[in-house]
Amino acid sequence: GESVGLHLPTLSVQEGDNSIINCAYSNSASDYFIWYKQESGKGPQFIIDIRSNMDKRQGQRVTVLLNKTVKHLSLQIAATQPGDSAVYFCAEFSNSGYALNFGKGTSLLVTP
Amino acid sequence: DAGVIQSPRHEVTEMGQEVTLRCKPISGHNSLFWYRQTMMRGLELLIYFNNNVPIDDSGMPEDRFSAKMPNASFSTLKIQPSEPRDSAVYFCASSFDEKLFFGSGTQLSVL
Repeated sequence: GESVGLHLPTLSVQEGDNSIINCAYSNSASDYFIWYKQESGKGPQFIIDIRSNMDKRQGQRVTVLLNKTVKHLSLQIAATQPGDSAVYFCAEFSNSGYALNFGKGTSLLVTP
Repeated sequence: DAGVIQSPRHEVTEMGQEVTLRCKPISGHNSLFWYRQTMMRGLELLIYFNNNVPIDDSGMPEDRFSAKMPNASFSTLKIQPSEPRDSAVYFCASSFDEKLFFGSGTQLSVL
């Protein structure tokens, strides 16, 4: 079946460096994507979203890039901080038109 | 707004017991979702309500699972009887568009 998946299960970066978290999706009809951040003991928290008519969207310290040709999504975090340590999920708006399909997640660890 | 509110935060029960998880969505949101999260399977959609009506319950694993939404501000997820393999974190989320807002989840342990 079609699914959303992540390239790297874990990522360790030094404080102050930039982080890049990648995500591959297989449903070429997907037209909306969201990145969520989940800290320990909490629910997923919305970070940034992007629609398929865009290839880049920027937020505060975060940028999402969408490459529809290779069905690839990435989340870039600038000047990574200890508070960025969490699991990051990409999510794809499903064929159903009402629910998000989540990838397995990438754990980001920021070291001092 | 306090966000999506779930209770209890933690539930420990014995196999065979009934478990009821509760959710209060964000006011004004017309869609409500129940997700289950495990290490092995990640986040799985269990059931989706729109305007208090169950639209898709294909993710509900078995007849032991049931969900209700009697009004726009309350939903329950019930497991009866519970089994150890039901141990997971159960999240409720609500939305009025594609962007879902999640509660803090209920950590369920079935012994």
